Amino acid sequence: AQKITQTQPGMFVQEKEAVTLDCTYDTSDQSYGLFWYKQPSSGEMIFLIYQGSYDEQNATEGRYSLNFQKARKSANLVISASQLGDSAMYFCAMREGPGTYKYIFGTGTRLKVLA
Amino acid sequence: GAVVSQHPSWVICKSGTSVKIECRSLDFQATTMFWYRQFPKQSLMLMATSNEGSKATYEQGVEKDKFLINHASLTLSTLTVTSAHPEDSSFYICSASLKPSGNTIYFGEGSWLTVV
Repeated sequence: AQKITQTQPGMFVQEKEAVTLDCTYDTSDQSYGLFWYKQPSSGEMIFLIYQGSYDEQNATEGRYSLNFQKARKSANLVISASQLGDSAMYFCAMREGPGTYKYIFGTGTRLKVLA
Repeated sequence: GAVVSQHPSWVICKSGTSVKIECRSLDFQATTMFWYRQFPKQSLMLMATSNEGSKATYEQGVEKDKFLINHASLTLSTLTVTSAHPEDSSFYICSASLKPSGNTIYFGEGSWLTVV
């Protein structure tokens, strides 16, 4: 069965430094998508970055990059130059296979950026 | 701007009453929407997949008679929590994909339900 694991319940990072949020996944599908979402205290879910299983390049979106290691089944999110506004919950998610857009989510990592 | 709108953002209802939450796709047609539930400090749990013009597909353990889902149009799905109890208090959030094979789903703003 598909599964997403985020082992870091909480992380601290100093402002302007980089931080890596871990995500490992388990799936038997060859085609899948990996996502990261940010959830501020307001509750909304903000899409950050996407990585397809067949994408050879690691995805990047501004200060966000996804360190995709397919053999290790990991999809870590790297946030560079952390800002105070980055403090939030971060969820890793996986779309289960092609032809569906049913997602499963990890348990999340709460990031706190320190001034 | 938001591509999926959810209403209401906050709702308080009395135990035993029913409450309806709306999820609208803005400027696009969503043949499929999803409803999630999130307890405090926990992850999102998929409750059901809402299909336009057909019955919703519920995840295991979700009571279909308790959580009624209606997807009457291509831009609107509703979740009705019937005979609400305090344990139904939670954060409910919907999502929709921009296109059938879209890589990304977009979420509504979420609805905080408190049953007193």
